[in-house]
Amino acid sequence: GAVVSQHPSRVICKSGTSVKIECRSLDFQATTMFWYRQFPKKSLMLMATSNEGSKATYEQGVEKDKFLINHASLTLSTLTVTSAHPEDSSFYICSASPGNTEAFFGQGTRLTVV
Amino acid sequence: AQKITQTQPGMFVQEKEAVTLDCTYDTSDQSYGLFWYKQPSSGEMIFLIYQGSYDEQNATEGRYSLNFQKARKSANLVISASQLGDSAMYFCAINNAGNNRKLIWGLGTSLAVNP
Repeated sequence: GAVVSQHPSRVICKSGTSVKIECRSLDFQATTMFWYRQFPKKSLMLMATSNEGSKATYEQGVEKDKFLINHASLTLSTLTVTSAHPEDSSFYICSASPGNTEAFFGQGTRLTVV
Repeated sequence: AQKITQTQPGMFVQEKEAVTLDCTYDTSDQSYGLFWYKQPSSGEMIFLIYQGSYDEQNATEGRYSLNFQKARKSANLVISASQLGDSAMYFCAINNAGNNRKLIWGLGTSLAVNP
C-alpha cells in the first residue's frame, strides 16, 4: 500500500510554545490530506481537510488560528499547534489517499504539553 | 448525513477462533465506501478491508472478510483464525464514494485475543 510518514511520533513541549507536525506522502501525490485528533480510547475526530495550494477547510469547533495547516506541496502538509496548552495534549494523526479508495495514515504524533 | 454505529465497545475471542465485529451505517448516498481499520496500542491506523456499495461480492483480504448486507445497512468484519496480534481497536468508517474522501468513523471496538 501507499506510504504516509508523520513526524515526530512523540513530542513534549512547554505550555505557550508552538509545535509543528509534518505529514508526507512518500510514494504518491496528495492534493488533499486530512488531520485528525484522537483522545484516549476514543474515535478519530476530523479536525481539518488540508488542500494543496489553498486554505484548509476546518471542521466546526476547530480553531483555525490555533491549529495552523499548510499544504505547500503535493507531498507535504503541516499542522502547527500554536501557543500549546495542556488541553491540547492528544494524539494527532494525518491521512492521505493516492486515489479514491482507502486512506493511508501516518504513524501519528503523541503531543504532551507540560 | 452519514453515520457509523459500532455497538460492541469490547470483545473477547479465543486464539484460533473466528470473531465478528459489528458495524451498521446510515447514509442517503447511493454510492459509498465502507472501510475497516485496525489500531494497535502503538497508535498507527492500519487499513484492513474495503467494500464499495455497488460491489456484489463480499470483500475478503486474507483472514479478514466483510459481511456486507446492504438492505440491513450492515458491514460486519469477520476475522478468522484469531491471532494474539489481532488484539487492537477496530474502527469501521464510511465515505462518499465520489470525490469526497472524508471518512466518518464509528466509536470502535476493542478486541482482545486470549491465548
